[in-house]
Amino acid sequence: GQQVMQIPQYQHVQEGEDFTTYCNSSTTLSNIQWYKQRPGGHPVFLIQLVKSGEVKKQKRLTFQFGEAKKNSSLHITATQTTDVGTYFCAGESNTGKLIFGQGTTLQVKP
Amino acid sequence: KAGVTQTPRYLIKTRGQQVTLSCSPISGHRSVSWYQQTPGQGLQFLFEYFSETQRNKGNFPGRFSGRQFSNSRSEMNVSTLELGDSALYLCASSIGQGPYTFGSGTRLTVV
Repeated sequence: GQQVMQIPQYQHVQEGEDFTTYCNSSTTLSNIQWYKQRPGGHPVFLIQLVKSGEVKKQKRLTFQFGEAKKNSSLHITATQTTDVGTYFCAGESNTGKLIFGQGTTLQVKP
Repeated sequence: KAGVTQTPRYLIKTRGQQVTLSCSPISGHRSVSWYQQTPGQGLQFLFEYFSETQRNKGNFPGRFSGRQFSNSRSEMNVSTLELGDSALYLCASSIGQGPYTFGSGTRLTVV
């Protein structure tokens, strides 16, 4: 069945350093979504990418969708302590099934 | 507008019992999905309902079941509870495809 792999599982960075998490799907996706979950909270939607090769930015966050629509990345420039949390990618099939990657937990040292 | 509401927030059950969790989606959202979240397994997809029909199903045993009502509210039932069913159960709603809005979850502990 459809699988979404995400790496790394954990990342510790010094405040001000950059951070990247990568996501790969076993199947071609209709779209890919990114969510952030703060400790003790629930996943919160960040962005959705639909087009092949799409790149979107939200302030210090840059999201990319691969040409084959099977992989994606999230890059954070100059991390801040407010970026702490677990970042999930989620691939949606054309039937509406949304499968989440395992998540990357980001720790930022001030 | 109101978000996704899950009840109860916390639940403690004994092995062998059954449990029913409830989810009220955002008004106008017809898709409701359920996920099990555990520290070691991440977010595991249980099932998705759209307009009262189960549209997608994950790889969970038949002890896990769900349904959706005409007002889009959904319930999830787990029968014959096992210790390993202890988890945070998250419900998420969407229009049909696209961004999900998650509820705060139900923390189930099986003892």
